[in-house]
Amino acid sequence: DSGVTQTPKHLITATGQRVTLRCSPRSGDLSVYWYQQSLDQGLQFLIQYYNGEERAKGNILERFSAQQFPDLHSELNLSSLELGDSALYFCASSVGAGGFEQYFGPGTRLTVT
Amino acid sequence: KNQVEQSPQSLIILEGKNCTLQCNYTVSPFSNLRWYKQDTGRGPVSLTIMTFSENTKSNGRYTATLDADTKQSSLHITASQLSDSASYICVVSGDDYKLSFGAGTTVTVRA
Repeated sequence: DSGVTQTPKHLITATGQRVTLRCSPRSGDLSVYWYQQSLDQGLQFLIQYYNGEERAKGNILERFSAQQFPDLHSELNLSSLELGDSALYFCASSVGAGGFEQYFGPGTRLTVT
Repeated sequence: KNQVEQSPQSLIILEGKNCTLQCNYTVSPFSNLRWYKQDTGRGPVSLTIMTFSENTKSNGRYTATLDADTKQSSLHITASQLSDSASYICVVSGDDYKLSFGAGTTVTVRA
């Protein structure tokens, strides 16, 4: 158990809908990272927040947005969902901004039908 | 464009045998390189992290090497076990907080 929690574990929704994925980092970690992993694909870095502020941005679509709250938990919002958005979404956390060692959560499996 | 290439894409080995996975990268400037193990449907778990000054690092039966001059790393698995069946991912970090991920090598250990 990495100490990073993600909810929900599974999510099934229809195209065009909007969903919110939630992540709670390990106690003491200030950075949260979001990743997307499509079937048989590698991990794609989406975005990083450090202590409430956006720190780094990867291949995140404009339909996706994220935020980190004062209690350091983070939410990833996915809107206007398409079939291709079906994937595993992982959250990771680290103590500092450099992400020297990241601890990954169990992931949320999103299925768009 | 920063790239991380891993080889082979997949391999099958018999239980008890050794294997070596390769990672070549073009990330520059280089900060650190990590190897992760990812079981199917689970989050990746860190095996080793190395900075440019480190040549080798071990974690149990896993030994990672790094040659920062040639921008190559390897992960050696000794005396493989069935539980080693997983995807192994090489991740390289530059000094801009961004991570570049390899596509991973899928290892299957057979009894």
